[in-house]
Amino acid sequence: GAVVSQHPSRVICKSGTSVKIECRSLDFQATTMFWYRQFPKKSLMLMATSNEGSKATYEQGVEKDKFLINHASLTLSTLTVTSAHPEDSSFYICSARGGGTGGGYGYTFGSGTRLTVV
Amino acid sequence: GENVEQHPSTLSVQEGDSAVIKCTYSDSASNYFPWYKQELGKGPQLIIDIRSNVGEKKDQRIAVTLNKTAKHFSLHITETQPEDSAVYFCAASTTSGSRLTFGEGTQLTVNP
Repeated sequence: GAVVSQHPSRVICKSGTSVKIECRSLDFQATTMFWYRQFPKKSLMLMATSNEGSKATYEQGVEKDKFLINHASLTLSTLTVTSAHPEDSSFYICSARGGGTGGGYGYTFGSGTRLTVV
Repeated sequence: GENVEQHPSTLSVQEGDSAVIKCTYSDSASNYFPWYKQELGKGPQLIIDIRSNVGEKKDQRIAVTLNKTAKHFSLHITETQPEDSAVYFCAASTTSGSRLTFGEGTQLTVNP
């Protein structure tokens, strides 16, 4: 079945530094990738949608200069949290759509990245 | 836009009992309804889905029903096991490849 690999699974960084999270589709071409943020005991909040080779579309209230998304190839999307602050600490999850067996419509989720900013 | 409501927020059952989680949606154009299981510290995993052209789908102990007229769909888990304990999310999508709108989640606890 469709597999999405997300790395790192956990990262701790200092305030002011930048962190990059990678999301790779291993066995299919991801034409669209979604990035979510999840707070403890809460649902997934869509941050942005990216299509390969195009600029990402950000949800209202999400700072595009803060959360840089790159979808340069059909198998890789990255989320860079720039100048991270403690309030950026969260669980970040990617989802890829393309082929595969993600329910027929091809939504496959990564395993998530726990970001802690100290 | 689409709004998905999910109930209950927490559900505790005894091992072997059935569990039912219900969701309602607002956009009549929605035509794809997946259910995800999320374990602590992990990403959501698809457990079953249903499209608007069918009313029910079953996969072993898991079933989903859809009532398009009432705009609600439900997840049914029979013969629950402790390993079914997790957070379950319903979601809805209007067209293939468009964004998923998630419910708020249900924390299911299966007591041995």
